[in-house]
Amino acid sequence: NAGVTQTPKFQVLKTGQSMTLQCAQDMNHNSMYWYRQDPGMGLRLIYYSASEGTTDKGEVPNGYNVSRLNKREFSLRLESAAPSQTSVYFCAHRVRERAGELFFGEGSRLTVL
Amino acid sequence: GQSLEQPSEVTAVEGAIVQINCTYQTSGFYGLSWYQQHDGGAPTFLSYNALDGLEETGRFSSFLSRSDSYGYLLLQELQMKDSASYFCAVDGSNTGKLIFGQGTTLQVKP
Repeated sequence: NAGVTQTPKFQVLKTGQSMTLQCAQDMNHNSMYWYRQDPGMGLRLIYYSASEGTTDKGEVPNGYNVSRLNKREFSLRLESAAPSQTSVYFCAHRVRERAGELFFGEGSRLTVL
Repeated sequence: GQSLEQPSEVTAVEGAIVQINCTYQTSGFYGLSWYQQHDGGAPTFLSYNALDGLEETGRFSSFLSRSDSYGYLLLQELQMKDSASYFCAVDGSNTGKLIFGQGTTLQVKP
C-alpha cells in the first residue's frame, strides 16, 4: 500500500451530511496530498501540505477542509456533502529527495446521494 | 495557472513501441513526472525528468524538452499488461504542488 493507509475505503452519504477521510503514512515524509478522480478523468489536486503545520489549496478546494494533524496524518473533511463530490479520493505522500515521485493510497470511494 | 495536454486514447499492438506526448503550460517548472494507473487501482510512479533529455527505466523511457514545454513517455516491447491509463504531472512550484494531466488510455491489442 506504498506506506499509505486511507479510511474508509467506501462510503455512502446523503446530501448535507459531513464526513472526514483519514490518511496516514508510515514513511516519515514531509509532503502529503489529497486528489480526487472522477470517472474517465485525471487527478485533480484538492489540498496539499508541504510539511507539518502547513496546508495549501490545490485546483479544486471548494467544499473541503484539511488538517495536517502531525507528520503522519492528513485528513480531508467534507462539511456538507454534495452529489458533485461523488468521486474517488486519493491520498499521497512524497519524498522531497526524490522529487516528482508520489506514493498513493488505494483510494476512498465516496458516493453522495 | 498550470495546464497539461495529452492525448485521450492510444492503441497499439503487442510488441510494438508507443509514444505518449504531454505538453504543459506553467508559471514555474521543476520537473515532469509520469504515472501508470490500472482500472480501479492507485496511480504508480514511473519516471521523473527535471532536466532535458531521455531517462530510461527498463522498457519505459521518458523525455523532456524544457524549451518546448514538452515531454513524452516511450513504452517499448508492449505487453498486454501495459494496457492502462498514463498521466503526466508537472511540479510547478517550490512548495511541492503537483498537477496532473487528464490521462491517456493505452489499449494494447494482441
